[in-house]
Amino acid sequence: GDSVTQMEGPVTLSEEAFLTINCTYTATGYPSLFWYVQYPGEGLQLLLKATKADDKGSNKGFEATYRKETTSFHLEKGSVQVSDSAVYFCALSDMTPHSGGSNYKLTFGKGTLLTVNP
Amino acid sequence: DGGITQSPKYLFRKEGQNVTLSCEQNLNHDAMYWYRQDPGQGLRLIYYSQIVNDFQKGDIAEGYSVSREKKESFPLTVTSAQKNPTAFYLCASSRDRRGYEQYFGPGTRLTVT
Repeated sequence: GDSVTQMEGPVTLSEEAFLTINCTYTATGYPSLFWYVQYPGEGLQLLLKATKADDKGSNKGFEATYRKETTSFHLEKGSVQVSDSAVYFCALSDMTPHSGGSNYKLTFGKGTLLTVNP
Repeated sequence: DGGITQSPKYLFRKEGQNVTLSCEQNLNHDAMYWYRQDPGQGLRLIYYSQIVNDFQKGDIAEGYSVSREKKESFPLTVTSAQKNPTAFYLCASSRDRRGYEQYFGPGTRLTVT
């Protein structure tokens, strides 16, 4: 089945440091890839996405490139801020058959807690 | 504003009681989902529904039930059969097409004592 593996946290950085959170996946089909962010006590928000190989998703200074050859979708930001402190989830969406047909369920990684200190 | 609402934000129940969590969306999405989140375990899918009057079990459906009588609403009932019901519950919706993301509600934190 499909799976997502992302680097375990917690990750602690100083403000303006470079951020990388690694994410690799296995999928039977041709998935779409997502990064979500969750602030304390809230739901998940879409951060960025990519739907085909070599696509780069970007938002709020964060970037990730869909690498089919290495099955990866690493999240990067050149200069983190205290306000970026949150849990980050990598996820994939792939067509999944079930008894009634099929659908595009999300498969999530376990999340990476990022703390940015001033 | 379009979005997903979940109510209440916090819910407290005694062991042995059933409890229903509300989820409403005005995004005109066909698919809706319920997830459970526990510390350090990411999100686990409980149930999902692609159309009205139809739903499918996810990875951890035991002890839960759902209904989908209207496109906008997908309530989740946590029954007394659920052994460890205390958790953060998230509802989501999507267009259920390739490349489309899921939109999440703010969540309900359920505490059962």
